[in-house]
Amino acid sequence: DAMVIQNPRYQVTQFGKPVTLSCSQTLNHNVMYWYQQKSSQAPKLLFHYYDKDFNNEADTPDNFQSRRPNTSFCFLDIRSPGLGDAAMYLCATSRVSAGRNQPQHFGDGTRLSIL
Amino acid sequence: AQKVTQAQTEISVVEKEDVTLDCVYETRDTTYYLFWYKQPPSGELVFLIRRNSFDEQNEISGRYSWNFQKSTSSFNFTITASQVVDSAVYFCALSEEGNDMRFGAGTRLTVKP
Repeated sequence: DAMVIQNPRYQVTQFGKPVTLSCSQTLNHNVMYWYQQKSSQAPKLLFHYYDKDFNNEADTPDNFQSRRPNTSFCFLDIRSPGLGDAAMYLCATSRVSAGRNQPQHFGDGTRLSIL
Repeated sequence: AQKVTQAQTEISVVEKEDVTLDCVYETRDTTYYLFWYKQPPSGELVFLIRRNSFDEQNEISGRYSWNFQKSTSSFNFTITASQVVDSAVYFCALSEEGNDMRFGAGTRLTVKP
């Protein structure tokens, strides 16, 4: 089945040690999103790529960066993770035709722990 | 500004009961989209339905049904004859034309055998 794949499912890193989370898709969608979801909270949009155009949410910390080398892959880089960055990170994709309102398809998420 | 309110933080029912999850939204746009997603314990978000603001027709899909009422700015979700596998967190979300999706806080549904 075409899908959104996130690796790894669980990631443990040390305080301050850079970490990269990956997302790939076989849906050929032109928009890819990264969300942060903390326990018992709604997903919070960090940023998204519309094709190659990067769109950062105003309140996304500078610590978070993203790369999209091609249509299929998108990476989330956390340069110096703090304890507050421990969360589930969700990748999503959508096909934009008329506006950004097509359903988003989510991966299984990567749960990040900080030691 | 777009806003979604899911007033029910947690709901617990016994299997085979019907349950309704409430969603109230705020928007100044005339064109907008409403969504429901399911998040089971495994963590992934599963798309359930999208409804645009010009389509107030209610929808039924198996045991799931959705009641969209613009007059009360609500988009409620009913599960008929609930099952244990329905246990999950359910998110309602709103997207205005050209804007990103904003989620409500979610309702945790527990269905007990």
